[in-house]
Amino acid sequence: GENVEQHPSTLSVQEGDSAVIKCTYSDSASNYFPWYKQELGKGPQLIIDIRSNVGEKKDQRIAVTLNKTAKHFSLHITETQPEDSAVYFCAASRSGGGADGLTFGKGTHLIIQP
Amino acid sequence: KAGVTQTPRYLIKTRGQQVTLSCSPISGHRSVSWYQQTPGQGLQFLFEYFSETQRNKGNFPGRFSGRQFSNSRSEMNVSTLELGDSALYLCASGNQETQYFGPGTRLLVL
Repeated sequence: GENVEQHPSTLSVQEGDSAVIKCTYSDSASNYFPWYKQELGKGPQLIIDIRSNVGEKKDQRIAVTLNKTAKHFSLHITETQPEDSAVYFCAASRSGGGADGLTFGKGTHLIIQP
Repeated sequence: KAGVTQTPRYLIKTRGQQVTLSCSPISGHRSVSWYQQTPGQGLQFLFEYFSETQRNKGNFPGRFSGRQFSNSRSEMNVSTLELGDSALYLCASGNQETQYFGPGTRLLVL
């Protein structure tokens, strides 16, 4: 089955700096890669996703890149703000709608230092 | 549009008991998936239902089961609870494109 590795497990950055979280996956049939943000006491919130026919996607301060050949994808957050502090999860799946289940990385605890 | 709702939000049970959790997906979504989140194992896929049929199942014992009703609402059941079943149980509502998670039900087994 699919295996997703996520690094680093903890990332501390100064407010205003950029943060990068990296994930690798094992199943070459995976073609959907979402990123979720989870705050304390809440469920994961979808922040951005990318499909295998696209190499990069951007939404304001957040961007995701995908390298299908190398089987890795990354989350980039620019101009970090205190409200960006949370746990971020990457995931991979063969489909986006739920039929194949999402395989998640172990999460990255992002800490924004004031 | 209302989001995914899960009830109850918190639950305390003792070993050997059974529990039923409920999930109401986003209006119009026909796919409901369940995930277990623990500090040690992270987020793990339990099963997915679409139009009242289980389409996919993760690697969990048969004590974990679910069902979906004609209005797309879903329930999951865990029988003969074990201490290790203590976790946050998350429901995800899916359309053709992606999945949106509810707030979860935190289950504590004593």
